[in-house]
Amino acid sequence: QKEVEQDPGPLSVPEGAIVSLNCTYSNSAFQYFMWYRQYSRKGPELLMYTYSSGNKEDGRFTAQVDKSSKYISLFIRDSQPSDSATYLCAMNRGGATNKLIFGTGTLLAVQP
Amino acid sequence: DAGVTQSPTHLIKTRGQHVTLRCSPISGHKSVSWYQQVLGQGPQFIFQYYEKEERGRGNFPDRFSARQFPNYSSELNVNALLLGDSALYLCASSFLPSDTGELFFGEGSRLTVL
Repeated sequence: QKEVEQDPGPLSVPEGAIVSLNCTYSNSAFQYFMWYRQYSRKGPELLMYTYSSGNKEDGRFTAQVDKSSKYISLFIRDSQPSDSATYLCAMNRGGATNKLIFGTGTLLAVQP
Repeated sequence: DAGVTQSPTHLIKTRGQHVTLRCSPISGHKSVSWYQQVLGQGPQFIFQYYEKEERGRGNFPDRFSARQFPNYSSELNVNALLLGDSALYLCASSFLPSDTGELFFGEGSRLTVL
């Protein structure tokens, strides 16, 4: 069993839709949870990170972490064609290490 | 400001050969990490270096090695290449080792092993 599970999609939505992306994980030691966006032929870029359980909002993006269920989500409001990319969840245990455990990524296509 | 730069961007090797990939971090960043991304998968951690010392190693065989130079640039070396080493190799830099995933990734070096 992988430590982090993520539905690979693809997910296709119309412009303006609310998008929900999710990951589950098995290791209760994870403390930091991130969402990265990766455009085709580019490196991942950090969208948001959350420490422990709770919600965090940044513009059209909201990240949620439920440690009791080992479940994290990213919501995108008013989705735009420019949001079309692969979204990767990632997490780590802390301890000042850059050892992130990534999900497989979900490919999102926002149709104009 | 320049982002993380990696070279070469693409390369083709045959089984058994070795490869050296290079990375220049963002100016002022002292930590460099390497990840392998196989097609259709998320990146997998290989190494982290900080102040020229190895700070972390992922579950990769000894054929994989890396080092960091005094100017904080880094090299990833892979010996005795296998077909399964075909992947996008990503370098990421940060000012310090970080818990919050604030890594800045380069565009990667795409390695094809024939």
